[in-house]
Amino acid sequence: NAGVTQTPKFRILKIGQSMTLQCTQDMNHNYMYWYRQDPGMGLKLIYYSVGAGITDKGEVPNGYNVSRSTTEDFPLRLELAAPSQTSVYFCASGGLTDYTEAFFGQGTRLTVV
Amino acid sequence: AQSVTQPDIHITVSEGASLELRCNYSYGATPYLFWYVQSPGQGLQLLLKYFSGDTLVQGIKGFEAEFKRSQSSFNLRKPSVHWSDAAEYFCAADGGSQGNLIFGKGTKLSVKP
Repeated sequence: NAGVTQTPKFRILKIGQSMTLQCTQDMNHNYMYWYRQDPGMGLKLIYYSVGAGITDKGEVPNGYNVSRSTTEDFPLRLELAAPSQTSVYFCASGGLTDYTEAFFGQGTRLTVV
Repeated sequence: AQSVTQPDIHITVSEGASLELRCNYSYGATPYLFWYVQSPGQGLQLLLKYFSGDTLVQGIKGFEAEFKRSQSSFNLRKPSVHWSDAAEYFCAADGGSQGNLIFGKGTKLSVKP
């Protein structure tokens, strides 16, 4: 049982480049989330999804986009990378409103130079 | 505004000593409450959660937490710390609405021999 899988684990981008962070879960969870973690700041919610075809903004959505075409996958897209997007990104799945905690992936460390 | 506060940024305890990590929340009603642990370079792992009922919650790895409504607190405790407990600990709360899991900024625990 793989749980939540994120790829890649590390990536260096140049300013203005684009990339997609992949996230897939095999637990048949309806809810999926993207967080970013910056030192001393905890985790901030970027986007979330409550099911296939449904997404919504979190606390810090600017500069990102998401899609949810299947239950399993929830990719995060950075269109024009900026140094402020240097961070560690975590994908999670679960069902907070049906008494299920969030399960986290191992993270993607992104550096924008 | 809803918030989660972890007053201690960094705590150092001796191996075998007891541990208490503080967490306070600010919500209109009692939220769902969680403690997660993050080892260096890893994702977050759930230690325990509180939804309702008994205010003393047992978790994995010998951790427990006590919910105190009067103090808006959910402190994490362990009677005897092991060197392997060195990690960063995050308190989180969810007000029950989808995708609204808010994290504290974390407390880094160091364990000295």
